[in-house]
Amino acid sequence: GQNIDQPTEMTATEGAIVQINCTYQTSGFNGLFWYQQHAGEAPTFLSYNVLDGLEEKGRFSSFLSRSKGYSYLLLKELQMKDSASYLCAVRDYGSGTYKYIFGTGTRLKVLA
Amino acid sequence: DGGITQSPKYLFRKEGQNVTLSCEQNLNHDAMYWYRQDPGQGLRLIYYSQIVNDFQKGDIAEGYSVSREKKESFPLTVTSAQKNPTAFYLCASSSGQGNEKLFFGSGTQLSVL
Repeated sequence: GQNIDQPTEMTATEGAIVQINCTYQTSGFNGLFWYQQHAGEAPTFLSYNVLDGLEEKGRFSSFLSRSKGYSYLLLKELQMKDSASYLCAVRDYGSGTYKYIFGTGTRLKVLA
Repeated sequence: DGGITQSPKYLFRKEGQNVTLSCEQNLNHDAMYWYRQDPGQGLRLIYYSQIVNDFQKGDIAEGYSVSREKKESFPLTVTSAQKNPTAFYLCASSSGQGNEKLFFGSGTQLSVL
């Protein structure tokens, strides 16, 4: 089967660092994506990993371990505007088609 | 500018009524997807299509129907069989190749009167 788990909520302080974890189980793994979503809006793309290791993009970094079915999103120098939901998504390939499976999302609250 | 357009932004459905949500893209993408999002939840896949005239059921297809007669368009019909249709509906597309991310429309909020 397919399953993606991430924490429901996290709280952190402005200027701090926060790590949001994601574990997954899929039969046809073909990449892992992180999206940010503000309430009532569409998700926006943050990062993509398909090989093991760390991808860094400004204040955001994402890590992948395919053998462990594990990823994390690292947010540095937190700002109030980072308060949002963060969605982990796996691209799965099977029966000749690709589909993107999302976790339930992690609501991050950044406190002053 | 290329992108995905969803309409309407807000939609109200009466009991026993079918409603259709529009999704149009001018990105020349082959693959298109429909997701449903309930408050405080993640995205659940309803239907997806890799090419014109072909589509597959996602995890929660019951009570929904789609068509893919044109590459640019992937409308979603919420039928009267869907007893709990109130949700935020998101349409997305991708090139269907390599490491392509999903591009999302701005969403349609469907509510029941």
